[in-house]
Amino acid sequence: QAVVTQEPSLTVPPGGTVTLTCGSTTGAVTSGHYPYWFQQKPGQAPKTLVYDTNNKQSWTPARFSGSLLGGKAALTLSGAQAEDEADYYCMFYYNGVLVFGGGTKLTVL
Amino acid sequence: EVQLVESGGGLVQPGGSLRLSCVASGFSLSNYHMDWVRQAPGKGLEWVGRATGDTPDRYTTLYAASVRGRFTISRDDSKNSLYLQMNSLKTEDTAVYYCVKLPPGDWGQGTLVTVSS
Repeated sequence: QAVVTQEPSLTVPPGGTVTLTCGSTTGAVTSGHYPYWFQQKPGQAPKTLVYDTNNKQSWTPARFSGSLLGGKAALTLSGAQAEDEADYYCMFYYNGVLVFGGGTKLTVL
Repeated sequence: EVQLVESGGGLVQPGGSLRLSCVASGFSLSNYHMDWVRQAPGKGLEWVGRATGDTPDRYTTLYAASVRGRFTISRDDSKNSLYLQMNSLKTEDTAVYYCVKLPPGDWGQGTLVTVSS
């Protein structure tokens, strides 16, 4: 089964920019993997930030954007705020199976 | 507004069974793919399975390898509800179970299942 890889942890200063990436052990990530990005804060259910590579939910702040970058899926946060400190998970679709990445713990510091 | 409300979690012994429910409002379940996702304590997210919508292909269910043969997803369109029947439960099935509408990604609040003797 495919494994989805994420950076275990990242740190960004307030107001800074950071890019989280998500790779696949099967090769380059494409739009056909329908990449998703989820944000989860302690004690809360996950919330979807981005679906199908770069589509945002109505509640997704404009400072978040999804893309494909260098064979991976990417989530860019521009102008980080303290409230963005959370765990971030990506997910890919593989022929009827959904696979999550292990998550990235983002610290705003 | 889309709402998903899970229920049915609790404490069950290894080898036991449990049935989770997810009541949907704001849309018709039959028109969308619906997934179950779980999260063990302190761990990441894990996909459990999917019930596809009726279109464009016929309804079907798909499962992660870790639960295939033990878990069954079903749907009651008259109640706009999704179910997860869990049999032969193992301690490693202990997790919060979420009902999720994908796309675009609407999540319920989750229900905790604890498998322990």
